[in-house]
Amino acid sequence: RKEVEQDPGPFNVPEGATVAFNCTYSNSASQSFFWYRQDCRKEPKLLMSVYSSGNEDGRFTAQLNRASQYISLLIRDSKLSDSATYLCVVTPSGYSTLTFGKGTMLLVSP
Amino acid sequence: DARVTQTPRHKVTEMGQEVTMRCQPILGHNTVFWYRQTMMQGLELLAYFRNRAPLDDSGMPKDRFSAEMPDATLATLKIQPSEPRDSAVYFCASGSSQMTGPAFFGQGTRLTVV
Repeated sequence: RKEVEQDPGPFNVPEGATVAFNCTYSNSASQSFFWYRQDCRKEPKLLMSVYSSGNEDGRFTAQLNRASQYISLLIRDSKLSDSATYLCVVTPSGYSTLTFGKGTMLLVSP
Repeated sequence: DARVTQTPRHKVTEMGQEVTMRCQPILGHNTVFWYRQTMMQGLELLAYFRNRAPLDDSGMPKDRFSAEMPDATLATLKIQPSEPRDSAVYFCASGSSQMTGPAFFGQGTRLTVV
């Protein structure tokens, strides 16, 4: 099983739609979780950290389910500018490296 | 606006040549990562440093790759000799001393080996 797995997509949604991505991780002792966003031919950028209690940042909501070892990202009221690849990132226990999933591509259309 | 700076942004070189990529981490960050990204493999960790000491370079082909931090403001990644399969985007990222904090990426070096 891969350390971090994501559905590659693409997810094609119309503007205004709500879309959700899941990501599973294999190391049950993982400590930190993040969502990054990567635009085409650009560097990954931190979108948000994921906390145990769940957290929200505007239209974005992140959830962590330790029992099932997955994290999720919910995007409400999708904008054209949300089109990007969303990378799930996990920090394994005892290390400060970041393990990336291969990303989920989102395409928001008018 | 604090950012990670990488040079060069683009590099085209012939097989067998040496390639050196440089990275200036965000001031005050003591953790530096080198990642490689290809379409097939996604983001792969090559090496990372904390307080300039290499902590993990297991993802790096040792026979041709080397990574160093001559000082706190400069990290380098060298490939010698380069091969066409090394063509990829190489990202440097830096993070704070917090063990489990996020990292912030530079714009990358797009390497093409012909």
